Amino acid sequence: SSELTQDPAVSVALGQTVRITCQGDSLRDYYASWYQQKPGQAPVLVVYGENKRPSGIPDRFSASSSANTASLTITGARAEDEAAYYCHSRDINYNVYVFGPGTEVTVL
Amino acid sequence: QVQLVQSGAEVRQPGASVKVSCKSSGYTFTSYYIHWVRQAPGQGLEWMGIINPGGYTTKYAEKFQGRVTVTRDTSTSTVNMELRSLEYEDSAVYYCAREAGEGASSYLDFWGQGTLITVSS
Repeated sequence: SSELTQDPAVSVALGQTVRITCQGDSLRDYYASWYQQKPGQAPVLVVYGENKRPSGIPDRFSASSSANTASLTITGARAEDEAAYYCHSRDINYNVYVFGPGTEVTVL
Repeated sequence: QVQLVQSGAEVRQPGASVKVSCKSSGYTFTSYYIHWVRQAPGQGLEWMGIINPGGYTTKYAEKFQGRVTVTRDTSTSTVNMELRSLEYEDSAVYYCAREAGEGASSYLDFWGQGTLITVSS
């Protein structure tokens, strides 16, 4: 089965921009979706598809993709963006799904 | 409004089984797949399986094959996930989530609140 890889942790200064990447073979054929999770809470969808946001998600969250890499960018990070972020995609070979290991974002 | 409401926390002994329910409301139950995802303490999200409530097809992660069964009850718009032969490492929060989108762009747009399963002797 394919896997998705993410950097374990990144930090960003308040108001600056941070990009979180997710790599995997399945991303050549399927879009990643991105989820924000704060301690003790269920994950929340923040970006999906080519670059779409659910209602209520601020436009400082955006997505892009190229070859086997998907990216989530937070432009103008705020303190409330401090959380774990997970990418998720379908595995083309086995018709199952997989999550990345998650990236912990710290806002300084 | 769309809601997924899960059953409450459970404690089980090693070797036992547990069933977690996920009751859907606010949308057509048979039109959206439901996923199960778990998260062990301090760990990341782990995909377990999926069910098509309309067609009743299921697919499980290889890791859980033979140990997990996901079923649905269309009369109550409920999806159930049963995990058998529990081990201490199965202690986790279990989530159900609704899949939206199609083709190359599917995503989990609504999640249940999570159910804590503790395996303890």
